[in-house]
Amino acid sequence: QKEVEQNSGPLSVPEGAIASLNCTYSDRGSQSFFWYRQYSGKSPELIMFIYSNGDKEDGRFTAQLNKASQYVSLLIRDSQPSDSATYLCAVSFISSGSARQLTFGSGTQLTVLP
Amino acid sequence: NAGVTQTPKFQVLKTGQSMTLQCAQDMNHNSMYWYRQDPGMGLRLIYYSASEGTTDKGEVPNGYNVSRLNKREFSLRLESAAPSQTSVYFCASSEAQGQGLHFGNGTRLTVT
Repeated sequence: QKEVEQNSGPLSVPEGAIASLNCTYSDRGSQSFFWYRQYSGKSPELIMFIYSNGDKEDGRFTAQLNKASQYVSLLIRDSQPSDSATYLCAVSFISSGSARQLTFGSGTQLTVLP
Repeated sequence: NAGVTQTPKFQVLKTGQSMTLQCAQDMNHNSMYWYRQDPGMGLRLIYYSASEGTTDKGEVPNGYNVSRLNKREFSLRLESAAPSQTSVYFCASSEAQGQGLHFGNGTRLTVT
């Protein structure tokens, strides 16, 4: 069973602060890592993906990957109330033969306080 | 460009009834997926289709069947609905397996 673990939160940060969201995964063979944002009652939206160790930045978002520690994180700088949502971590692994599927964590609920 | 379109948006069934959830994508993606989302359990893969003409079971396939009608369309059928199938169902697509998914707006299903 491939597992992806996230702290369910809720995580509260003040407006303008850095929000740090963390995710660990069980399969050392995983190669692709994704962060999705899901507003209440809406569908998940892809916001970041990372394939290589290190940091990847896109605007206020930074994804960090450490394959040796099987750890991926998402940093949100200058957090805004509009960032309040559930953030889902997803990891790609081989399910059968050569088929690659995504396994999702249960999500971390983030609240940015004005 | 509509992306991934799911119908219906809401559905209430009685135990034992059947229904089909429809999904279509216009992004020319090869792979399509059906997930269910339950509180505290995240998204769980029901079935997927890596490419037109193929379908495979995911993590929670029992009680469901799927059909990849063509490259655009991937339907999910509940033959005899049970209260345990009350959930939000998402269809998704990707250009290839293991790549980022594009989700439809979801179907909220209640089985009484």
